[in-house]
Amino acid sequence: SQQGEEDPQALSIQEGENATMNCSYKTSINNLQWYRQNSGRGLVHLILIRSNEREKHSGRLRVTLDTSKKSSSLLITASRAADTASYFCATDAKHNTDKLIFGTGTRLQVFP
Amino acid sequence: GAGVSQSPSNKVTEKGKDVELRCDPISGHTALYWYRQSLGQGLEFLIYFQGNSAPDKSGLPSDRFSAERTGGSVSTLTIQRTQQEDSAVYLCASSFGTSGREQYFGPGTRLTVT
Repeated sequence: SQQGEEDPQALSIQEGENATMNCSYKTSINNLQWYRQNSGRGLVHLILIRSNEREKHSGRLRVTLDTSKKSSSLLITASRAADTASYFCATDAKHNTDKLIFGTGTRLQVFP
Repeated sequence: GAGVSQSPSNKVTEKGKDVELRCDPISGHTALYWYRQSLGQGLEFLIYFQGNSAPDKSGLPSDRFSAERTGGSVSTLTIQRTQQEDSAVYLCASSFGTSGREQYFGPGTRLTVT
């Protein structure tokens, strides 16, 4: 079963705009990761945030984590057409850290 | 400096046939994961290996699915008596250890059962 759910399911924006995607999960976690997937093939790791962190930055990416609400957000600033992809959050579980459970994904389309 | 590789990249098979999907992880990665992704859906966890043992097989959809890993490296996912609902992209990932680790994904095998 899915641990996380992303919303929106799909997002369309113009180049230069910011894109925000949200992820909610169900059980207590040790860390949360965000991945990107192009064209339905392999995923690429973007960023990891630990349960004791509230915010993390990497280039144009900003991730927040609210463990009280069991939610995370991924912000992509100054989006580019090349950011067009699906974005997934993935969490481990406090009692089982050995595997990740992926959310349902947000499909981002950035128009030039 | 290869990443995770998977073969074949595409496989078309007739219903009822057996298929084998192969994953070659990054050298030195002890953990290996198999996922399934149906069209437009998220990733469904199937099984993972720590070394050659599979502590968690809970995601395998039925007893037609099995996987093995030998020598702590290459893994094979076997689907017996394939059904049309098995059609999906099968993704493999590896990581150095498990807990809280970034996973590195292969390009996937697209399986089509006709």
